[in-house]
Amino acid sequence: EDQVTQSPEALRLQEGESSSLNCSYTVSGLRGLFWYRQDPGKGPEFLFTLYSAGEEKEKERLKATLTKKESFLHITAPKPEDSATYLCAVQAPGNQFYFGTGTSLTVIP
Amino acid sequence: NAGVTQTPKFQVLKTGQSMTLQCAQDMNHNSMYWYRQDPGMGLRLIYYSASEGTTDKGEVPNGYNVSRLNKREFSLRLESAAPSQTSVYFCASSDRDRNEKLFFGSGTQLSVL
Repeated sequence: EDQVTQSPEALRLQEGESSSLNCSYTVSGLRGLFWYRQDPGKGPEFLFTLYSAGEEKEKERLKATLTKKESFLHITAPKPEDSATYLCAVQAPGNQFYFGTGTSLTVIP
Repeated sequence: NAGVTQTPKFQVLKTGQSMTLQCAQDMNHNSMYWYRQDPGMGLRLIYYSASEGTTDKGEVPNGYNVSRLNKREFSLRLESAAPSQTSVYFCASSDRDRNEKLFFGSGTQLSVL
């Protein structure tokens, strides 16, 4: 069965304290792995797509990496405005997307 | 650009009532989706439409119907609402000819009493 598991469920960081969020997946024929950011009361907003093991993408303080079984979202020197829920999704054959339950990140000034 | 627009933003129904959630996108995307988001369960696909004129069931289609009215619009109908359908509903669209990332609307918070 295709599955996506994110950890931790919640993460509290001091401003400037770097950390990583994990997304592990079991899916046959991965077409892509996606990271989204979701702010309270809003829809998810696209961050990155990764297609193959070893691929990395960066945007400001965020860097996403992909292996054959998991992806990491590294947050370097986070700021309070990085506080949000980060969602991971995998795209399986047939254009179905499977989402994890997310990591709720709080960055304390 | 408006992107993906959903209406209404909030709705309260009584058990057994019906309603339609509306969704429209202005990005000329072929694919459109309806998801529900519940605490601890993540986003789950209800129905999707790969192109105008086609619809397919997702992970949790029971109790819902959809209509792809044209390329822009994709509606979700609850014929007889149940408390188990209390959730936040998101419409999304994507361009299958490009990188297929999803663009989401701002959501509809539905409570069924």
